Amino acid sequence: TAGITQAPTSQILAAGRSMTLRCTQDMRHNAMYWYRQDLGLGLRLIHYSNTAGTTGKGEVPDGYSVSRANTDDFPLTLASAVPSQTSVYFCASKGQPNTEAFFGQGTRLTVV
Amino acid sequence: GENVEQHPSTLSVQEGDSAVIKCTYSDSASNYFPWYKQELGKRPQLIIDIRSNVGEKKDQRIAVTLNKTAKHFSLHITETQPEDSAVYFCAASLSRAGNMLTFGGGTRLMVKP
Repeated sequence: TAGITQAPTSQILAAGRSMTLRCTQDMRHNAMYWYRQDLGLGLRLIHYSNTAGTTGKGEVPDGYSVSRANTDDFPLTLASAVPSQTSVYFCASKGQPNTEAFFGQGTRLTVV
Repeated sequence: GENVEQHPSTLSVQEGDSAVIKCTYSDSASNYFPWYKQELGKRPQLIIDIRSNVGEKKDQRIAVTLNKTAKHFSLHITETQPEDSAVYFCAASLSRAGNMLTFGGGTRLMVKP
């Protein structure tokens, strides 16, 4: 069982370029999330989606956009990358409220 | 929104000793409190969770306690082992905020053999 997968695993991106981080889950979870994890800091929510067709902003949404065209996929797009977006990005999904959130393996992004 | 604070940021214990990590949350309506363990270079994984209608939950060597009045919850690990070394995150979930998880800043636990 795949669970939740992210692609790519790592990427070096030139500042000013755009990029889409992919996230796919096969658990039919309604809720999906994007977090970033910086060194010495916890997980900060970028965007979320409680169900297909809806999205919302988290704690640090600036510079990022998301879409949720279907249940399985929740891509995160950086329109014009900046060095401060260098981070490890985790996608997560959850079925019912107040149950376990499952995380992808993460994408390490370096913006130079 | 919800704010979760976690202490300490680093914790070093001798193998076999106990470790305690504490978290406080700001919104009294939060009703779900999971703990995640993240090993180096890996994804966070749930180790235990507690809901607001329960004061304590135990699973082998780990336990979580919740004090709703004081708005704090704690993770207790007994008989620590080197493989317990990792970063631990607490989180709180708020129903009216779409059940999103707000994470604490993390605790790096080091268990010395």
